[in-house]
Amino acid sequence: SQQGEEDPQALSIQEGENATMNCSYKTSINNLQWYRQNSGRGLVHLILIRSNEREKHSGRLRVTLDTSKKSSSLLITASRAADTASYFCATDARTGGYNKLIFGAGTRLAVHP
Amino acid sequence: NAGVTQTPKFRVLKTGQSMTLLCAQDMNHEYMYWYRQDPGMGLRLIHYSVGEGTTAKGEVPDGYNVSRLKKQNFLLGLESAAPSQTSVYFCASSYSRIRHNEQFFGPGTRLTVL
Repeated sequence: SQQGEEDPQALSIQEGENATMNCSYKTSINNLQWYRQNSGRGLVHLILIRSNEREKHSGRLRVTLDTSKKSSSLLITASRAADTASYFCATDARTGGYNKLIFGAGTRLAVHP
Repeated sequence: NAGVTQTPKFRVLKTGQSMTLLCAQDMNHEYMYWYRQDPGMGLRLIHYSVGEGTTAKGEVPDGYNVSRLKKQNFLLGLESAAPSQTSVYFCASSYSRIRHNEQFFGPGTRLTVL
């Protein structure tokens, strides 16, 4: 069973446009993380937002978290062709005493020059 | 500092064969994980380890075994491979829960079972 569900499944935009991806989850969380995966590569951590935070920035990335709606969004501003990748949200749920993340199915982002 | 490395990168097996995937990390991380990734799905946790000598089952453990004899290594074994185990396998590691739990991933092993 997946905790996080990303929306949309695929997104195609032009360079310079903003890309917004959404993630919904089911249970209470400690934190929510976003990862990027380039084709044929492993996942790379982008940003972590804790359950008591509402917004976080890192460079061109902006993440919001709404725990009342159990949802998060990732905004990439001024996108570049190099941003083409799959993006996954992962939740660290408040179940168990270990460091386990549950990943969603991901959003495939294509940025066209 | 190589981070997380995986061996091999690619492998083709016949049904019933066995193999071991090796994961190594040089960041002195306590926690290590094995995931599989299938098309259209996110990563699913197979097994994990919270320290040397310890292992535990994840979401999809059937058909796999693991061992963590040394802190830096985490081995994933397939005793009798099945076509359903065709997938891309990722190893990851992280610090303990004392620190935030960003996970660091290896480059993956693409396994095909015929």
